[in-house]
Amino acid sequence: DGGITQSPKYLFRKEGQNVTLSCEQNLNHDAMYWYRQDPGQGLRLIYYSQIVNDFQKGDIAEGYSVSREKKESFPLTVTSAQKNPTAFYLCASSFLAGVNTGELFFGEGSRLTVL
Amino acid sequence: QKEVEQNSGPLSVPEGAIASLNCTYSDRGSQSFFWYRQYSGKSPELIMFIYSNGDKEDGRFTAQLNKASQYVSLLIRDSQPSDSATYLCAVNHLNSGGSNYKLTFGKGTLLTVNP
Repeated sequence: DGGITQSPKYLFRKEGQNVTLSCEQNLNHDAMYWYRQDPGQGLRLIYYSQIVNDFQKGDIAEGYSVSREKKESFPLTVTSAQKNPTAFYLCASSFLAGVNTGELFFGEGSRLTVL
Repeated sequence: QKEVEQNSGPLSVPEGAIASLNCTYSDRGSQSFFWYRQYSGKSPELIMFIYSNGDKEDGRFTAQLNKASQYVSLLIRDSQPSDSATYLCAVNHLNSGGSNYKLTFGKGTLLTVNP
């Protein structure tokens, strides 16, 4: 079945460690996104990518890094520089972003907890 | 910073009633508008989109758009307990550089439908 797969679903990290969240899609979508969601908050955009080997910072990119080496994959690394990384992380994809593009397909999310 | 505002709720309605969810946005140039539903602990899913002023109906859901007032709403008729979820409003607009379209989410309204 087509869709977006995120892993791991739950992740615990010690302070000072980098962690990488995986996101793979087989929908043949050009655009991929990473969002962060905190309790009672909406979705905040971390990074997005519209084509392979290119990506742009979103609203809260500090302390995060991404790569887009393949169309299907868009991993997110939460670095030790991220001061408050405990959150629910959502990966999404869509057809190429345009004036009427707002149909995002989301993965099941990864819940990161810093110990 | 383009803003999307929603009443956080909770909005509580009895089963069978009409639930009315509201959203305002700050960027007058916004072109397209989306409603996502998010069950607790799950990822969001798109339920409605609207591009033109007026009403758009899909089953029990009606989206309403008034660009002059910068206001978009979602009506749920014959509300069911299974409609209990957080509803996120999202607005597509040009980013600050004017080079890409970007989707900005509100913080969501928690809806509870009581049997």
